[in-house]
Amino acid sequence: DAGITQSPRHKVTETGTPVTLRCHQTENHRYMYWYRQDPGHGLRLIHYSYGVKDTDKGEVSDGYSVSRSKTEDFLLTLESATSSQTSVYFCAISGLSGTTTIAFFGQGTRLTVV
Amino acid sequence: AQSVTQLDSHVSVSEGTPVLLRCNYSSSYSPSLFWYVQHPNKGLQLLLKYTSAATLVKGINGFEAEFKKSETSFHLTKPSAHMSDAAEYFCVVSDPSGTYKYIFGTGTRLKVLA
Repeated sequence: DAGITQSPRHKVTETGTPVTLRCHQTENHRYMYWYRQDPGHGLRLIHYSYGVKDTDKGEVSDGYSVSRSKTEDFLLTLESATSSQTSVYFCAISGLSGTTTIAFFGQGTRLTVV
Repeated sequence: AQSVTQLDSHVSVSEGTPVLLRCNYSSSYSPSLFWYVQHPNKGLQLLLKYTSAATLVKGINGFEAEFKKSETSFHLTKPSAHMSDAAEYFCVVSDPSGTYKYIFGTGTRLKVLA
């Protein structure tokens, strides 16, 4: 398995509080991603990073911010959590498999906003 | 813009019978296509990938997919379903912009009946 660790794995938080999810990789890959998974939507990209301090928005970035101060860590922050952000969050990295770049996913973080 | 459409949200098959999960794609470029599987409460695992080397792609656990440009399809098949195949399956296209972002289909939940 690719070396990706997400923390925490489960979290319950109250509406209006800030929340930070962490993704840590040991593969030294340049690209890292945060997705959310919701029934009927598959996975949707929130933000991604193409290097230290280099990040960009995905399709569902409103209410989220990210930071990448080190190659191995990519943080996702919900600035003021809302019930609509209850979801399962997946971190991914892109790396070479043979001659193709593929994505490797973490185990996910289940976030519940009450 | 790239997109994928999974034509069935749920598929039920009997153990030992063939599996067909359908996926159509839209892409302005020669696409990179993938199938991922997600078992309950687990992360995502790569089943197979298409990158233009061969139109029939073999993956893990007996799955294969055929890329048909004329039909813009990339259906996933398996000759004989096993109980352990019960999971959610995602068809994915890679953004060709060089950022390796993935665009997911909405998923097909496969149920295998004893």
